Amino acid sequence: NAGVTQTPKFQVLKTGQSMTLQCAQDMNHNSMYWYRQDPGMGLRLIYYSASEGTTDKGEVPNGYNVSRLNKREFSLRLESAAPSQTSVYFCASSVSTNTEAFFGQGTRLTVV
Amino acid sequence: DAKTTQPNSMESNEEEPVHLPCNHSTISGTDYIHWYRQLPSQGPEYVIHGLTSNVNNRMASLAIAEDRKSSTLILHRATLRDAAVYYCIPNIYGQNFVFGPGTRLSVLP
Repeated sequence: NAGVTQTPKFQVLKTGQSMTLQCAQDMNHNSMYWYRQDPGMGLRLIYYSASEGTTDKGEVPNGYNVSRLNKREFSLRLESAAPSQTSVYFCASSVSTNTEAFFGQGTRLTVV
Repeated sequence: DAKTTQPNSMESNEEEPVHLPCNHSTISGTDYIHWYRQLPSQGPEYVIHGLTSNVNNRMASLAIAEDRKSSTLILHRATLRDAAVYYCIPNIYGQNFVFGPGTRLSVLP
């Protein structure tokens, strides 16, 4: 019973490098989300996808792009990483946009 | 967007009940009130949600004020494992699924 799986769990990037964070859910959920959490802070919504084929900006979308590859997968891309993007990234999914959401275990990203 | 106000922190003794308050005075009539919690070094997990009447599940109870401007999450017997940050979220539709600072609950043995 995997739920929401994020890869990788840890990553160190140099400033200017690019990378894609992967998220997959096996619960046939329609909605998926990407958040970031800075040390000692709450979660901030980066992007969300209410259903397959749609994506929308959240509170802090600058510097990120997303792709809803299919119903299962929602990836987050950093085109040119900056130290300010050092954070823990969480992916979440839910049946719809007003039901219980399930979160992954997070990806800890450090940009040096 | 409905705004929430929660105490920054609370403390409880183990095996005692805990009442975590949340004010959401601008909530709309159709917004469900959701509670999530985040244990140390983990992603948030769902606790409970409700619309108007009080709700119970295996984790907690949710008491919703008659005017819906406030709610209280009740942990009937706090355990050390309940130490976490608790978030009250009045509307999780799309871009509204945002987490405020929450209440950091400490449980003392």
